[in-house]
Amino acid sequence: GQNIDQPTEMTATEGAIVQINCTYQTSGFNGLFWYQQHAGEAPTFLSYNVLDGLEEKGRFSSFLSRSKGYSYLLLKELQMKDSASYLCAVLDSNYQLIWGAGTKLIIKP
Amino acid sequence: DGGITQSPKYLFRKEGQNVTLSCEQNLNHDAMYWYRQDPGQGLRLIYYSQIVNDFQKGDIAEGYSVSREKKESFPLTVTSAQKNPTAFYLCASTPPGSDTGELFFGEGSRLTVL
Repeated sequence: GQNIDQPTEMTATEGAIVQINCTYQTSGFNGLFWYQQHAGEAPTFLSYNVLDGLEEKGRFSSFLSRSKGYSYLLLKELQMKDSASYLCAVLDSNYQLIWGAGTKLIIKP
Repeated sequence: DGGITQSPKYLFRKEGQNVTLSCEQNLNHDAMYWYRQDPGQGLRLIYYSQIVNDFQKGDIAEGYSVSREKKESFPLTVTSAQKNPTAFYLCASTPPGSDTGELFFGEGSRLTVL
């Protein structure tokens, strides 16, 4: 079966750095997405990785290792508004999106 | 401004009633999707449509129905056959020719069955 694993919840301090991991086992791979979702709102796109390596976009970076079936989202200089759920999703060989359950990130002052 | 509009935002339904959730987009996107989100689970695909007058079942289509009579509109009906309909429903679309398949989401509709 296809599976995406992420930690259920993480806590970090304002101004710090946090890394949210995502491991996947899917039938084929055509890219990995990270979305941010504030409580009760729609997910918004953060990043897309299809090749190995690190993609940096401001305070957020996303890393992919296809051989390890692994990705992480790195958030720097954390702000209170970063409190949200972070969803990892993989596009499989049929171009269907497989979603993880999301990681709830709690930022403390 | 362009975007995806879902309505209603909150909806209460008695058991045995059908309910229709609206999804309208003015982004000129061809592909549209309906997802269901439950606590502790990933998004699950209900139905999707790549083009007008055509749609396909997703992973959990039982108890749901859709139509795609216009490019802009993709309404979802939750029928009385859906045994556990209380959930957060998300409509999404992707632009034509997208390299990444990035999804644009509506604000969601929260359905509660009483």
